Amino acid sequence: AQSVTQPDIHITVSEGASLELRCNYSYGATPYLFWYVQSPGQGLQLLLKYFSGDTLVQGIKGFEAEFKRSQSSFNLRKPSVHWSDAAEYFCAVGLISGGYNKLIFGAGTRLAVHP
Amino acid sequence: DAGVIQSPRHEVTEMGQEVTLRCKPISGHNSLFWYRQTMMRGLELLIYFNNNVPIDDSGMPEDRFSAKMPNASFSTLKIQPSEPRDSAVYFCASSASGNSYEQYFGPGTRLTVT
Repeated sequence: AQSVTQPDIHITVSEGASLELRCNYSYGATPYLFWYVQSPGQGLQLLLKYFSGDTLVQGIKGFEAEFKRSQSSFNLRKPSVHWSDAAEYFCAVGLISGGYNKLIFGAGTRLAVHP
Repeated sequence: DAGVIQSPRHEVTEMGQEVTLRCKPISGHNSLFWYRQTMMRGLELLIYFNNNVPIDDSGMPEDRFSAKMPNASFSTLKIQPSEPRDSAVYFCASSASGNSYEQYFGPGTRLTVT
């Protein structure tokens, strides 16, 4: 069955430090992959997406993610974290189910940023 | 564009009462999704509408839950009767035709059933 695993429930980094959030997926075909961010009290916002082509994709707010087929991973990175990046981050895989496009979300990783 | 609009933002009700959550999708979007988010189960898809027609309601937990989309600009999720285990944040999301992976989420309704 299709699934998305985010191994880290909570991560704390210092402002200015680099960040990597892990995501592993299980899907038989070539996946469509996404990262969404949820700020406190808000809905989810799309950060970036991978459909095909270049395996390193750029998103909003200075984030990027790299698709590695051999590792079934799609890790999210940012070279220098800002305090405003504190939020919950969700990795998702897109698949076709019942004839329509469906998103399967991971459990999320909550990011805290220390000044 | 105002984005996806949900109301109310917070709802507190007593067990057994009827609860109605409302959603206005982004104009021009023809796909609408209702999700439920809890600490225990994460983000779960409840139901998906395309062109106002329910396509997949397999995520609706039980008969107490129902959803409607009478027109392209309005949808409701109703729980009757409500139970404490229904306490969660309910999100509505919409997307454009042919691009339903890129979903735009509303701010959510935090439901507390006492």
